[in-house]
Amino acid sequence: GESVGLHLPTLSVQEGDNSIINCAYSNSASDYFIWYKQESGKGPQFIIDIRSNMDKRQGQRVTVLLNKTVKHLSLQIAATQPGDSAVYFCAENRDNAGNMLTFGGGTRLMVKP
Amino acid sequence: DAGVTQSPTHLIKTRGQHVTLRCSPISGHKSVSWYQQVLGQGPQFIFQYYEKEERGRGNFPDRFSARQFPNYSSELNVNALLLGDSALYLCASSFEGANEKLFFGSGTQLSVL
Repeated sequence: GESVGLHLPTLSVQEGDNSIINCAYSNSASDYFIWYKQESGKGPQFIIDIRSNMDKRQGQRVTVLLNKTVKHLSLQIAATQPGDSAVYFCAENRDNAGNMLTFGGGTRLMVKP
Repeated sequence: DAGVTQSPTHLIKTRGQHVTLRCSPISGHKSVSWYQQVLGQGPQFIFQYYEKEERGRGNFPDRFSARQFPNYSSELNVNALLLGDSALYLCASSFEGANEKLFFGSGTQLSVL
């Protein structure tokens, strides 16, 4: 399949280390944020979401942090594995009455064995 | 359970032609959205439909149109194709269509020659 993210910023980590991927969003009125993982030849896969009334949410091996003051979102992956290698996108929903997501530019995560 | 399915997976067209892309949402989902993903970038919102009504439209020319059928499946039509329309076209579905996670299909890779 077609490869995505040929010219994206890249984060390279060692297997077993923790990864932190950052994202800045633009609309202070955005109420809902999502992180997606996209592997080559596939569509974006939902990882975790957070609403603006929270500043932290945890899933299995992943944590999302939301700082509304500086409009910053981060995704933390614990004990990164080779299967985590992919392009990661943050997305914000600027329309609370709909589902019109605005995606960030993406970060490529490469996990070294 | 089947996820979001899209057809065809790959398509080659020439400039000036038109194309129809198809999407079946996850069973029970009433909202379908379309996104365009150009190589190296995040997906960009094109349309959202909920209960067969257009709920949102992104910044795309009138050559792009879509519709949703009574069974909640959807079609995206693009007329007068340009080279710049070459991209991965993603369909996503959600249950209610407002401020909730989207589930994406694997996309249709459109190449315009």
